[in-house]
Amino acid sequence: DAMVIQNPRYQVTQFGKPVTLSCSQTLNHNVMYWYQQKSSQAPKLLFHYYDKDFNNEADTPDNFQSRRPNTSFCFLDIRSPGLGDAAMYLCATSRDPGKSSYEQYFGPGTRLTVT
Amino acid sequence: DAKTTQPTSMDCAEGRAANLPCNHSTISGNEYVYWYRQIHSQGPQYIIHGLKNNETNEMASLIITEDRKSSTLILPHATLRDTAVYYCIVTSYSSASKIIFGSGTRLSIRP
Repeated sequence: DAMVIQNPRYQVTQFGKPVTLSCSQTLNHNVMYWYQQKSSQAPKLLFHYYDKDFNNEADTPDNFQSRRPNTSFCFLDIRSPGLGDAAMYLCATSRDPGKSSYEQYFGPGTRLTVT
Repeated sequence: DAKTTQPTSMDCAEGRAANLPCNHSTISGNEYVYWYRQIHSQGPQYIIHGLKNNETNEMASLIITEDRKSSTLILPHATLRDTAVYYCIVTSYSSASKIIFGSGTRLSIRP
């Protein structure tokens, strides 16, 4: 089945130690998104790629970066994780919005713990 | 994108219809109403969306008022597996289908 895959499902990193979360998709969708979801809160959009065009949300900290080497893969890099970055990180994809609006397909998430 | 207002929590008996309301009084003409749900510890799942007509799929029905200022998601025969947080979102295609999640409605299905 076509899907959105996130690895690993659980990641533990140390305070200040760079960490990379990965997302892959078999849906061949143009748009890929990264969300952060802290405990008991709604997901918050960090940034998205429309093909190779990177779109950062205004309030996303500089500590968060992203790479999309090809259509299928997208990475979230946290350069110096702080305790406040512990959260579930969700990857999602959607088709080219074009002249319509399309739903997003979410992966299962990676739960990041910072020690 | 227009803001949405939903009740914080609701409950429903198993087997009954669950009706989840959403207000979006500032919705504009090119904005769609989307519903997603998030079961505990999983990624959000798309349910249904609509522009102005009522919609139905295998999961749910979406009723949008004629003035488009509010909508209702209907789960016709709720099961325990429908226990989740339900998000009503308004977004336009011009915003690359960006989703700005509100606080959602926590739906509990009781046996």
